[in-house]
Amino acid sequence: EVQLVESGGGLVKPGGSLRLSCAASGFTFSNAWMNWVRQAPGKGLEWVGRIKSKTDGGTTDFPAPVKGRFTISRDDSKNTLYLQMNSLKTEDTAVYYCTTGRWSDSWGQGALVTVSS
Amino acid sequence: DIVMTQSPDSLAVSLGERATINCKSSQSVLYSSNNNNYLAWYQQKPGQPPKLLIYWASTRESGVPDRFSGSGSGTDFTLTISSLQAEDVAVYYCHQYYSTPYTFGQGTKLEIK
Repeated sequence: EVQLVESGGGLVKPGGSLRLSCAASGFTFSNAWMNWVRQAPGKGLEWVGRIKSKTDGGTTDFPAPVKGRFTISRDDSKNTLYLQMNSLKTEDTAVYYCTTGRWSDSWGQGALVTVSS
Repeated sequence: DIVMTQSPDSLAVSLGERATINCKSSQSVLYSSNNNNYLAWYQQKPGQPPKLLIYWASTRESGVPDRFSGSGSGTDFTLTISSLQAEDVAVYYCHQYYSTPYTFGQGTKLEIK
């Protein structure tokens, strides 16, 4: 069974940084493309970025609102995905989900990130 | 960026009746070389993460009841629930994974009439 467990969420001041982790199990993590998707309180879903598997180049892609501020990395030896968030803004407040595969077939329970002074 | 627009924003359907949700993309998500539509549907219940229902526009995810079906091609897609059950009350999202930035529709809230 696929399991994704996010951690590292919390309260951070505007301009601050935070790193989320996603521990994966139940599938071959090294072969998987992985995404981060967020959901602001009471709002819809927003794709935050993706990392390909190393065999597919290991490259990352981001949407304009987070490009240059967020980075995604992976440690295939630890089956763990990371989201490094810098220069955080109040509008980054959301639940952040890690998801598997090109079409996000499995989702974690999410980690709440609150950006507030 | 590909903009995904769902209609309606909310929908109330009687138990046992058909529910239909539409999704339109601002450009085609059909990849001609493999004839696949890069379109997925998700169901999200309150306090839960989204759950994948459909991918490739019409392929039902394992374990999803067969009352859920997806159709459409190119820019116009539909999620149909053939006979609404109480447990289907949720928000439904379409999602294109044809090109980055991947994008989602704004969501359709489905309720019981």
